[in-house]
Amino acid sequence: GDKVKQSPSALSLQEGTNSALRCNFSIAATTVQWFLQNPRGSLINLFYLVPGTKENGRLKSAFDSKESYSTLHIRDAQLEDSGTYFCAADPSNTNKVVFGTGTRLQVLP
Amino acid sequence: EAAVTQSPRNKVAVTGGKVTLSCNQTNNHNNMYWYRQDTGHGLRLIHYSYGAGSTEKGDIPDGYKASRPSQENFSLILELATPSQTSVYFCASGDASGGNQNTLYFGAGTRLSVL
Repeated sequence: GDKVKQSPSALSLQEGTNSALRCNFSIAATTVQWFLQNPRGSLINLFYLVPGTKENGRLKSAFDSKESYSTLHIRDAQLEDSGTYFCAADPSNTNKVVFGTGTRLQVLP
Repeated sequence: EAAVTQSPRNKVAVTGGKVTLSCNQTNNHNNMYWYRQDTGHGLRLIHYSYGAGSTEKGDIPDGYKASRPSQENFSLILELATPSQTSVYFCASGDASGGNQNTLYFGAGTRLSVL
């Protein structure tokens, strides 16, 4: 958790609003992945990123390796977006993938 | 679709007993990982492997051993289980060979209680 810090740790949103989650790295991350752990406990891969941005539907993610951070933006939040979001980094292309402590997101009707 | 299967899904063990958690993947991925998930800590890396015969220490390897006898199978072994090892354990596979992205695919998890 110390190598990858996520913020905020928890967040509540009204349905239809937008949010941004952030990861800061104290390691030389070369790639970043974002996951959603749904209420059933399953971990679902959302993005795999080299430095740059990717977009998928209402989700958009960016990774800046020089400034050592990544963001995940959720647009028009829906109830099914609720869960815990994790980012994970691969330091120096070692394939030793380490995770942050997560952001618990609750979307309210 | 990537397939990572963990067994057992639930396990109750006694302190001092030996516990083996198994993971099988049908993706032909080189890399495999064992994490534990605890409230407030996220997922912490215990051991990982680059392929058959390889095991590497993660961030919290103490009290755990790992075994990778084949490309498909990766086991986590608790020789002398302690109550502090009560947790949910996740296995994952990924493949960075040949320029592939090392996207991780996770199993459903194993809930272990050590009494």
